[in-house]
Amino acid sequence: AQSVTQPDIHITVSEGASLELRCNYSYGATPYLFWYVQSPGQGLQLLLKYFSGDTLVQGIKGFEAEFKRSQSSFNLRKPSVHWSDAAEYFCAVGARGSARQLTFGSGTQLTVLP
Amino acid sequence: KAGVTQTPRYLIKTRGQQVTLSCSPISGHRSVSWYQQTPGQGLQFLFEYFSETQRNKGNFPGRFSGRQFSNSRSEMNVSTLELGDSALYLCASSPSGESYEQYFGPGTRLTVT
Repeated sequence: AQSVTQPDIHITVSEGASLELRCNYSYGATPYLFWYVQSPGQGLQLLLKYFSGDTLVQGIKGFEAEFKRSQSSFNLRKPSVHWSDAAEYFCAVGARGSARQLTFGSGTQLTVLP
Repeated sequence: KAGVTQTPRYLIKTRGQQVTLSCSPISGHRSVSWYQQTPGQGLQFLFEYFSETQRNKGNFPGRFSGRQFSNSRSEMNVSTLELGDSALYLCASSPSGESYEQYFGPGTRLTVT
């Protein structure tokens, strides 16, 4: 069974600073990997996804993530954080096959200081 | 395209009652999945439906059930509600084929008193 670990429960950064959110996964083969963002009281918005190919993937809102097979990681990065990026971020893994089932990490709460 | 819609957005029920939540997927999406989100357990997969058939099920008791209609709309039902069922229930739809990404609705906030 797959699993996802997000080691940082809460991260605080200043507006304009760079950001890196960590994600480690456990899965026997090459997984499908996703990052979602959730604002208070809202559903999840897909930021980016990795299926195969180029290990550096670009997403919406200026986010990118890098798949590193050797480290079983899929860290999310942004070069310059905006106050509107404050939210909770979830990393998720999906198994290859017909069923759509995502396993989520516990999330990282991002606070942005002015 | 319109996004995933869920109704109702908020619901308050009493222990022992049952509840039905509804989800309309993005037009053209045939896969609908349900997730439960709680502060203690995080996001947990409930089940997935595709072409009116349950294709996958998470580790939840039989009180949790669902179905999908021919237009891909889905409902989930929770019977004999318990206090621990209080959660945000999220529905997600996914296109067919090799697209595995899921698009989430705003959720239904269920409070059991």
